[in-house]
Amino acid sequence: FMLTQPHSVSESPGKTVKISCIRSSGSIASNFVQWYQQRPGSGPIIVVHENNQRPSGVPDRFSGSIDRSSNSASLTISGLKTEDEADYHCQSYDGSNHWVFGGGTKLTVL
Amino acid sequence: QVQLVESGGGVVQPGKSLRLSCGASGFIFSSFGMHWVRQAPGKGLEWLTVISYDGSNKYYADSVKGRFTISRDNPKNTLILQMSSLSAEDTAIYYCAKASVGLWGGGLDVWGQGTTVTVSS
Repeated sequence: FMLTQPHSVSESPGKTVKISCIRSSGSIASNFVQWYQQRPGSGPIIVVHENNQRPSGVPDRFSGSIDRSSNSASLTISGLKTEDEADYHCQSYDGSNHWVFGGGTKLTVL
Repeated sequence: QVQLVESGGGVVQPGKSLRLSCGASGFIFSSFGMHWVRQAPGKGLEWLTVISYDGSNKYYADSVKGRFTISRDNPKNTLILQMSSLSAEDTAIYYCAKASVGLWGGGLDVWGQGTTVTVSS
């Protein structure tokens, strides 16, 4: 299956943005979804694991969810800060010993 | 602190081989599955391969199966990616990453900064 993300999103500081990740086949609920933040020139860091769990140190402004009706996962960032400007990647397990990544979404905070 | 540091990248001619290393510190390396992920210029992340904590299980993406080999040296806290038959499509930043739980659970909770591989004549 594939995970499809919007190429880019933009929003103003203090607002809320939602980044989608649509699974092409099979149920989004079949396997957990993770989300990674990647700032320019840096390696990714995990911000959500297992659909909606936040690792320690990740602000509660970051939240994850899945929607069975649209077969998608979403990363929501509230109270946007300029430091949130980065690429965000979703990821899931395909059930056959492979990870699948989405194409990544560039978030601009302006 | 918990850290992964990749090395071994560089410029290599098409058809040649290259060996990447990933040094781990700050955690019990021998207890965790480890992955390699790459990112081609301007592209998203691509998962490549995983190895279990003891090296007994290895899995590969179709794009590198038969050309890339993952291995680990637990006493030396080192992860290895041996790459052969390289082509321009292998040009990317290569990251090593630590599995949070088992091989597939909880995602990848520690990543290195990456090492750049450029395949060019």
